Amino acid sequence: EPEVTQTPSHQVTQMGQEVILRCVPISNHLYFYWYRQILGQKVEFLVSFYNNEISEKSEIFDDQFSVERPDGSNFTLKIRSTKLEDSAMYFCASSVYRDGIQYFGAGTRLSVL
Amino acid sequence: KQEVTQIPAALSVPEGENLVLNCSFTDSAIYNLQWFRQDPGKGLTSLLLIQSSQREQTSGRLNASLDKSSGRSTLYIAASQPGDSATYLCAVYTGTASKLTFGTGTRLQVTL
Repeated sequence: EPEVTQTPSHQVTQMGQEVILRCVPISNHLYFYWYRQILGQKVEFLVSFYNNEISEKSEIFDDQFSVERPDGSNFTLKIRSTKLEDSAMYFCASSVYRDGIQYFGAGTRLSVL
Repeated sequence: KQEVTQIPAALSVPEGENLVLNCSFTDSAIYNLQWFRQDPGKGLTSLLLIQSSQREQTSGRLNASLDKSSGRSTLYIAASQPGDSATYLCAVYTGTASKLTFGTGTRLQVTL
């Protein structure tokens, strides 16, 4: 069964460093998303992406964040200068339709020291 | 702003019981509602999606209902098993913003 894959599963970085989280969405999906979940808190929306553009972003998704679909298969989230409060589980998701089922990856746990 | 609440926050039941998890949302103008399962330290597994025009969806031992006008959904799990132990999340999709808004989840433990 097709699935969303995310790498790495765990990333440890020093405060101020840049990180890139990678995702391979399901191949025929057109809509892509990043969410995050701080330990013990709700899953929060970060950004949605369609047709090589950001469709929607939350207030969390400030200038330190960017997304890219560099080729036909990968979808990346970059954090330019990480802060302690960026420590969270980051989930990538994809869907065929804008209001269709969103399928989630297993997540990347980001630890900022 | 859409707010999603799930009650109870935690639930422990003996194996074999039928149980109901509740989800409520403040803005009834939703496109759909999705129920997910999350195992500790893992990703989210989609269980059921109910469109706003539907009242029910079923998958195996799971049945989800939606009362859009009152801002409520329930997830019914029949004949619970220890393997059902996980956190169950509901999330609503409002068409004006292409994103899911999640509840805080119900942590379910099914004991032998």
